[in-house]
Amino acid sequence: DQQVKQNSPSLSVQEGRISILNCDYTNSMFDYFLWYKKYPAEGPTFLISISSIKDKNEDGRFTVFLNKSAKHLSLHIVPSQPGDSAVYFCAASVSSWGKLQFGAGTQVVVTP
Amino acid sequence: DTGVSQDPRHKITKRGQNVTFRCDPISEHNRLYWYRQTLGQGPEFLTYFQNEAQLEKSRLLSDRFSAERPKGSFSTLEIQRTEQGDSAMYLCASSLGGQGSQPQHFGDGTRLSIL
Repeated sequence: DQQVKQNSPSLSVQEGRISILNCDYTNSMFDYFLWYKKYPAEGPTFLISISSIKDKNEDGRFTVFLNKSAKHLSLHIVPSQPGDSAVYFCAASVSSWGKLQFGAGTQVVVTP
Repeated sequence: DTGVSQDPRHKITKRGQNVTFRCDPISEHNRLYWYRQTLGQGPEFLTYFQNEAQLEKSRLLSDRFSAERPKGSFSTLEIQRTEQGDSAMYLCASSLGGQGSQPQHFGDGTRLSIL
């Protein structure tokens, strides 16, 4: 039962433009959401998180938006850089200390 | 700042053999998690410790799998009588318990290949 879904397996974006990654979830008990970035042969690296009491969190070039009524979150990366080329995973948990449930990931390629 | 360390990075073994992986979390982190990731999928939760207590196990964790965290520091994950379907990346993560939201930080994983 896939409770976290990333419906776009890949995304290609030009350097300097905005990357928008989307994630949907089905479990209304989720109250903590995270984005991770993964390079080949490395573990996932934490990028940014948001709790359900907020609808936006920003950290440098990364902004996460949460729409609880739609059970949808998105990650905006602006401006996109070549080093942003990686697989991005959306994850969610019930409470900040619980097990994470991950989406299948979105491969982002930033082109010059 | 030392991150989460996993050993070995890669393990190749024959079907039926036992394997053991080690995870050293970030030193002040009291929570430790094991996940498994297969190609094209996100990590799947296996089990979780708070200090030395194993608090939750996934139904993915069959009787052939056992995890320990004897002194609340490093953890081991053992797979007995390995099967082809056990081939995957095994990821360890740790986090700091307490007030507020604390993200899990991952190691680089152990890739298990069953011949």
